[in-house]
Amino acid sequence: AQRVTQPEKLLSVFKGAPVELKCNYSYSGSPELFWYVQYSRQRLQLLLRHISRESIKGFTADLNKGETSFHLKKPFAQEEDSAMYYCALSGGSQGNLIFGKGTKLSVKP
Amino acid sequence: DTEVTQTPKHLVMGMTNKKSLKCEQHMGHRAMYWYKQKAKKPPELMFVYSYEKLSINESVPSRFSPECPNSSLLNLHLHALQPEDSALYLCASRGPGNQPQHFGDGTRLSIL
Repeated sequence: AQRVTQPEKLLSVFKGAPVELKCNYSYSGSPELFWYVQYSRQRLQLLLRHISRESIKGFTADLNKGETSFHLKKPFAQEEDSAMYYCALSGGSQGNLIFGKGTKLSVKP
Repeated sequence: DTEVTQTPKHLVMGMTNKKSLKCEQHMGHRAMYWYKQKAKKPPELMFVYSYEKLSINESVPSRFSPECPNSSLLNLHLHALQPEDSALYLCASRGPGNQPQHFGDGTRLSIL
């Protein structure tokens, strides 16, 4: 079964601290994995996708097929990073997304 | 234009009303999606249109009726909704290949 698991509902860190949002997936083929971010009262935005291997706003994510993980990391969190983060998997031919339950990141001053 | 535009932004309707949600994109994307998002929950897929044809219906009740009149527009017709249908309705579109989905701001729907 296709599934995305984000084990933490809420992650609270202080400004300048490292942050890691965990994501594990279950998929039988070769998945496309994404991180989407939803800031307060804003639209769902693409943050990262695994095939581009780029860093956006200081965030990186590496696909680990052995551990079936796609954790999101940032070495120094900023207050403006506070948002809801969703890990998503695209596995079907129609490109439909399966979302994890999301992790709310709160960065305190 | 790299946006997905949804109208209206807010909609309040009674259970006997008929209304429509609209979604528009001019990125030439041929795949379009409707999602439902309840508060503090992830989006849940409702419908997928590919080249203006309905390709996925995730067992959505018939009181929700999608329509794709052309490659740029996607509608969601609503009739006889229930209070539990109150949610944020998101539209998304996607380009060919392994392109990511682009989301609109959503329509916040309240059923009285």
